[in-house]
Amino acid sequence: QKEVEQNSGPLSVPEGAIASLNCTYSDRVSQSFFWYRQYSGKSPELIMSIYSNGDKEDGRFTAQLNKASQYVSLLIRDSQPSDSATYLCAVNPPQAGTALIFGKGTTLSVSS
Amino acid sequence: SQTIHQWPATLVQPVGSPLSLECTVEGTSNPNLYWYRQAAGRGLQLLFYSIGIGQISSEVPQNLSASRPQDRQFILSSKKLLLSDSGFYLCAWSGNRGGGYTFGSGTRLTVV
Repeated sequence: QKEVEQNSGPLSVPEGAIASLNCTYSDRVSQSFFWYRQYSGKSPELIMSIYSNGDKEDGRFTAQLNKASQYVSLLIRDSQPSDSATYLCAVNPPQAGTALIFGKGTTLSVSS
Repeated sequence: SQTIHQWPATLVQPVGSPLSLECTVEGTSNPNLYWYRQAAGRGLQLLFYSIGIGQISSEVPQNLSASRPQDRQFILSSKKLLLSDSGFYLCAWSGNRGGGYTFGSGTRLTVV
């Protein structure tokens, strides 16, 4: 069974620090990887996508992908209290006609 | 631009009553459509997905069903709700070339 694993947290960081969120996946041939942010009571919002090994930066967010280790991470620099949310990792299996597999999410709390 | 509409936002239904949740997408054609459920404190569970009109794949056998009567309309139904059907129901869409999903605002269903 294909799985996506995340540490449920909570991960607590002070304002201005770097938050590091991690995700591992079981299907070695997965090709597409996504990070979603979900505020309490709201629907998930896509914040990053990554398809190739290495780093992808977008503002304060950096996604890192290591396919050999089957590992995806999200770094949030200069964390703000508004970053407090649950972050979901999602992996797209390569098989046609399949849907994204989501991890259960990591809850991040940024204290001011 | 593409938008996804989902309604109602909240719903309280008695056990044994029927259910109909509707989702529509604007600004695109032939989207892939998905229904997910998120129970309290748990991850996203894929219920149904559709790659075209009348083409529905079920991931979880239960008392729920889905239909896609039009290209950009996806409906989630039940003839008789159970207490275990309570949760946050999310509709999402994606393009045919993969990529991340865009979620609707969700329906919070409480079965009493």
